[in-house]
Amino acid sequence: EDKVVQSPLSLVVHEGDTVTLNCSYEVTNFRSLLWYKQEKKAPTFLFMLTSSGIEKKSGRLSSILDKKELFSILNITATQTGDSAVYLCAGSGGYQKVTFGTGTKLQVIP
Amino acid sequence: DVKVTQSSRYLVKRTGEKVFLECVQDMDHENMFWYRQDPGLGLRLIYFSYDVKMKEKGDIPEGYSVSREKKERFSLILESASTNQTSMYLCASSPRLAGAKDTQYFGPGTRLTVL
Repeated sequence: EDKVVQSPLSLVVHEGDTVTLNCSYEVTNFRSLLWYKQEKKAPTFLFMLTSSGIEKKSGRLSSILDKKELFSILNITATQTGDSAVYLCAGSGGYQKVTFGTGTKLQVIP
Repeated sequence: DVKVTQSSRYLVKRTGEKVFLECVQDMDHENMFWYRQDPGLGLRLIYFSYDVKMKEKGDIPEGYSVSREKKERFSLILESASTNQTSMYLCASSPRLAGAKDTQYFGPGTRLTVL
């Protein structure tokens, strides 16, 4: 059975801090690793990673994939209160099969 | 911008009622998905569809059925709602384009409460 595990479950940081969110996966016929941000409604897409060692960046967010260790991290630098959300990691494998982790809840306090 | 809409944001039903949750996407995506999201369990796939009139069971299809009569619309049906189906239901769609098909676009969710 495919499995995606995220850590930590939750964390609280101060504005300006840098955070690292972790995602490990066991996905049959692995194809890609996805990160989403979920505020009070629908998850919104952040990154899709398919190759090891290639960092993807979007503003203060960046992510990288290690296909040997079956691991990905999401970094957020200079955090802001607007970064407060649940961050979801998902592994895609096989035909249209995407397995989600339970998410990391990030709270950024002023 | 991709837009995925769901018919209701909040819904309260009684045990045993038949419930229809509707999802519509406007980006001509081939793939559509229904998930439920529960605390501590994350998103779990109920059903997905990769074409009109085609459907595949996800991880937790029991107690649910789906219908896809038109490409843009994917319906989730609870034939006889039960209290353990109280949850947040999320619809998603994705294109079949190579390199992009893993990226799913989500609707706003329907929070269903079954009393």
